[in-house]
Formats: sequence, structure tokens, C-alpha cells
Amino acid sequence: NAGVTQTPKFRILKIGQSMTLQCTQDMNHNYMYWYRQDPGMGLKLIYYSVGAGITDKGEVPNGYNVSRSTTEDFPLRLELAAPSQTSVYFCASSPFGEANTGELFFGEGSRLTVL
Amino acid sequence: QKEVEQNSGPLSVPEGAIASLNCTYSDRGSQSFFWYRQYSGKSPELIMSIYSNGDKEDGRFTAQLNKASQYVSLLIRDSQPSDSATYLCAVKENFGNEKLTFGTGTRLTIIP
Repeated sequence: NAGVTQTPKFRILKIGQSMTLQCTQDMNHNYMYWYRQDPGMGLKLIYYSVGAGITDKGEVPNGYNVSRSTTEDFPLRLELAAPSQTSVYFCASSPFGEANTGELFFGEGSRLTVL
Repeated sequence: QKEVEQNSGPLSVPEGAIASLNCTYSDRGSQSFFWYRQYSGKSPELIMSIYSNGDKEDGRFTAQLNKASQYVSLLIRDSQPSDSATYLCAVKENFGNEKLTFGTGTRLTIIP
């Protein structure tokens, strides 16, 4: 069972570069999320999606964009990378309705460094 | 801005003792409460959820919820070195709103 798959696991960017973090889930979950986690800190929600074609901002959306063209995929786009975006990024998913116990299913994380 | 507060620690507990982790939240409308465990360099994993006032036990773990005081805690009995991790408290606003707000986490170290 693949679950939630994130790529790449590690990436170093130069200031001003752009990149896309990929996230795919094979559990047919409606809800998908992108969180960032800075060292010694909790998780902050960047964007989330309640289904294909629907996305919404979380707490810290500035500098990021997302799209949700399919149920499975929820890529996170970083435009004009800045050192403040150095972080570990987690993609997560959860099911809709009665199947939702509140548990988020996380990917393994993507560690991004902007120099 | 909804807030979830935790002591960052580190919290050191001898092996075999009870570890007590605390969390307070600001939004009185919160309905669902979760404890996630995160080992260093790994992703968080759910270990407990609680929705009603009182205690909920699962093996060595007990979650306690007091909505009037806006307080949720996690007790770990017979602490083991494998319990050493960061524990994240997470709160969901209400049923149907699937966004979780996380605290900053408490780093727990079990001393053999």
C-alpha cells in the first residue's frame, strides 16, 4: 500500500528559483493538505482541498500555489523561492464523511532548503 | 486566529514512570481533539483521539478532555524509551470542517 507519496524527499533551491512538490495518494481520499514544519515547531497549514477542482488557503499561503485536477494529485508550487521557505513540507489526506475519524494520513515529507 | 498551546519541553521522564503532556486551545467551538506522535525525521502518526469530556484509555495511553477549561492532556503510563518523541496536540473546529490546527509539540525523552 503506497498511501501518500511525496517527491522529492530532499531539494536545495537557489533564491528566486521555482519548483513543484508532488503529492499523490491512492486511498481515494477527498481531503488533501499541505503543511510546513519549521525546526522545533508544529505544523502550519499552507493550502488544503476538499475535492478535485476545489482548493482553499490555510494559515500561511503566501509564496505558494496549489491545484487539484484529480482526486489523487495535489501538487504544491513554490514561486520565487525565499530563505523563509526553508522547511519540511508534509502532504496529508483524509477521507470524507463517516469514514473520517480525524486521522490525517501523512506522506514522508519533503525537506527543502533555499540558499 | 485559533491557537493550540503546548509546552515545548523537553520533558524528561524516567523509564517506567508516567509522562503527562498538556495542551490548551483557544476556540471554544472545537469539537475534536487528537494526539499525534512524531519521531525525529519522520512524519506524524495518530495515537489518540477524543471527542467527549472525560478520559479515554487505549493501552498505556490515556487522553483527558475538559472542554470547560479548554484543556486536553495525554498520559503515558509505564513509559518506555520507544516513547521518546515529539507529541503534537491537534484540534478540529467542528464536524464537517476537516482542518486541523496543531500545537508546536512537546519533546518527550524517556530516560532508561
